[in-house]
Amino acid sequence: AQKITQTQPGMFVQEKEAVTLDCTYDTSDPSYGLFWYKQPSSGEMIFLIYQGSYDQQNATEGRYSLNFQKARKSANLVISASQLGDSAMYFCAMRPYSGAGSYQLTFGKGTKLSVIP
Amino acid sequence: NAGVTQTPKFRVLKTGQSMTLLCAQDMNHEYMYWYRQDPGMGLRLIHYSVGEGTTAKGEVPDGYNVSRLKKQNFLLGLESAAPSQTSVYFCASSYPLGSSYNEQFFGPGTRLTVL
Repeated sequence: AQKITQTQPGMFVQEKEAVTLDCTYDTSDPSYGLFWYKQPSSGEMIFLIYQGSYDQQNATEGRYSLNFQKARKSANLVISASQLGDSAMYFCAMRPYSGAGSYQLTFGKGTKLSVIP
Repeated sequence: NAGVTQTPKFRVLKTGQSMTLLCAQDMNHEYMYWYRQDPGMGLRLIHYSVGEGTTAKGEVPDGYNVSRLKKQNFLLGLESAAPSQTSVYFCASSYPLGSSYNEQFFGPGTRLTVL
């Protein structure tokens, strides 16, 4: 079974500053994918970034980057130059690439980010 | 291109009533999923389908049934609603997962309250 832990229920960041949202995971599967989703107050789930377990480089997508440390089983999301529109819930999720659990994204409980003007 | 749509957006039921949530996708995705999200929790998988006519149980399937009669539609049924099924329900779809990057595209959600 997979488990995702997000230890920060809520965080504040000043506009234009960078922020790191923590995510640790637990799995016995040798290969897997890690995902981050954003959920604004309107409720939809927005895909942000993906990291494969065998990827050599950390993933980046615009202002989002994923600090992947495989040995520590962590996949932290870094948002650079925060904007007011970044205020939202952020979910870390993972999916193994084999076995019965490979169809399921396992989500953490989320971190609520608030950007302060 | 509407992506993933869900009907209805909101619904209030009384205990014991039944209802069906409809999910439709226009991206020609093989795989479809139903998740529920409870306060303070991430999403949990209820049922999923890897193709037309096939369904399988996820993490929390009890009290729900699903059907995938057409590739583009995935229905979630509650035969006898219970207050514990008060939640926000998300449908998602994706290409076959395999061992590579394949994101799941989510619908806007259905907020269901069971009194």
